[in-house]
Amino acid sequence: QVQLVQSGAEVKKPGASVKVSCKASGYTFTGYYMHWVRQAPGQGLEWMGRINPNSGGTNYAQKFQGRVTMTRDTSISTAYMELSRLRSDDTAVYYCAREQKYGSSGWYWFDPWGQGTLVTVSS
Amino acid sequence: SSELTQDPAVSVALGQTVRITCQGDSLRSYYASWYQQKPGQAPVLVIYGKNNRPSGIPDRFSGSSSGNTASLTITGAQAEDEADYYCNSRDSSGNHGWVFGGGTKLTVL
Repeated sequence: QVQLVQSGAEVKKPGASVKVSCKASGYTFTGYYMHWVRQAPGQGLEWMGRINPNSGGTNYAQKFQGRVTMTRDTSISTAYMELSRLRSDDTAVYYCAREQKYGSSGWYWFDPWGQGTLVTVSS
Repeated sequence: SSELTQDPAVSVALGQTVRITCQGDSLRSYYASWYQQKPGQAPVLVIYGKNNRPSGIPDRFSGSSSGNTASLTITGAQAEDEADYYCNSRDSSGNHGWVFGGGTKLTVL
């Protein structure tokens, strides 16, 4: 079955970087964009950006431009999200999610999602 | 960038019908998708496109859209439907981004 499995929880100090992985299985990894979404404690979902696993091309939310880098390793069907210059308000659960779309109809959706990776930023 | 607006909280009596709405300019160009999230769990897709349910999602969940508003309707709400619900669409402002609504906490009484 289609599955996304993320790396484990991380604890980082302010100013450090974190790199979260998302391993895909059950489908052709290069055939679907991968998105990253985060959720701070008690807050809603926030879109961070996406990567085209085939080309490596990325689109980032303006809020994260300059701090986030999304990459992939097609040999192991894994996407990565690295966030630098961490602050306490970056403490959140980070999710990867596969984009699906239906032709050029304007239908887009995320399915499935990874299980989430808790990143805690604390001195 | 675009924004999607949801009511923060909605309640429904067990077995009754509830509608959760999502408003935003991007919905004039793109369909919303809807996600259910229970505490401590990852979001789960419940509705996408015009009104499509992934396999395993009960048919009491349905979706609709008109103008700048998308709606998720639960007909005959069950106790297990108590959760947070988020709408999402592609951003129509040309920045190649996506946007989520702030989420609606559904309480089943």
